[in-house]
Amino acid sequence: KAGVTQTPRYLIKTRGQQVTLSCSPISGHRSVSWYQQTPGQGLQFLFEYFSETQRNKGNFPGRFSGRQFSNSRSEMNVSTLELGDSALYLCASSTGQGFYNEQFFGPGTRLTVL
Amino acid sequence: AQTVTQSQPEMSVQEAETVTLSCTYDTSESDYYLFWYKQPPSRQMILVIRQEAYKQQNATENRFSVNFQKAAKSFSLKISDSQLGDAAMYFCAYRSPTGTASKLTFGTGTRLQVTL
Repeated sequence: KAGVTQTPRYLIKTRGQQVTLSCSPISGHRSVSWYQQTPGQGLQFLFEYFSETQRNKGNFPGRFSGRQFSNSRSEMNVSTLELGDSALYLCASSTGQGFYNEQFFGPGTRLTVL
Repeated sequence: AQTVTQSQPEMSVQEAETVTLSCTYDTSESDYYLFWYKQPPSRQMILVIRQEAYKQQNATENRFSVNFQKAAKSFSLKISDSQLGDAAMYFCAYRSPTGTASKLTFGTGTRLQVTL
C-alpha cells in the first residue's frame, strides 16, 4: 500500500503571496489532518478533514484554510503569506474512526517565505 | 486543554546502552491515548509505540517500552540496546478519545544522539 504523499516537497514564496499544499492519504483512509512544524512553536495542529467535512480546527488565523475532496485528497491553502508561515507542513491520514485510529504521516512540505 | 511537556531537549546514549526519554502531560480526561513518535532526519514521522490510558499494563514494542504512570501523568519511553538508527527527534503525543477526532497534541521533542 502506498504511503501518504505530499506535494510539493519544497516551496519558496514571497510575503503576500498565497500557497496551496496537497496531501494524498493512504488508500481507504477518510481522515486527513494537517500540522505545522516550526523550531519555535513545535508541532501544532491546524485542522482535520473527514469525509469532506472539517471535523476539528486548531488555533490558527483564517488565512489558513483547507478542503477535502471526494477521493479523500486534501489541500491546505495559506493566503497573504507572512515570514512566520515558514515551516514544515505535515499531513497525516487515518481511517478517522475505530479504536486506534492510527495516524500515518507524510514526508512534509517545506515552505519558505521570503 | 491538554498539554504535553518534554523536559529533555537533547539526550545522548552509547550504542547498545539503554536510554529513557521523559514526558509528562496534563489533562482532565480519564481516558485518552498516548504515543511516542520518531522523526528521523528524513522528516517522516513514524509511530514508535502507543498506550491506552485505561490499560495498566505498559506497552512494549521490541526494544521500545513505556513506563506509564497515570496518577503522576507521566509517560516515559525506554529504548534498550540502542542502535545508530535510533538517532532522531522523539515526540510524545496525546490524543483525546472524544468522538473520533484525530487531533494530536505534541510535546516539544527530544533529540536523541546515538554514539559509538
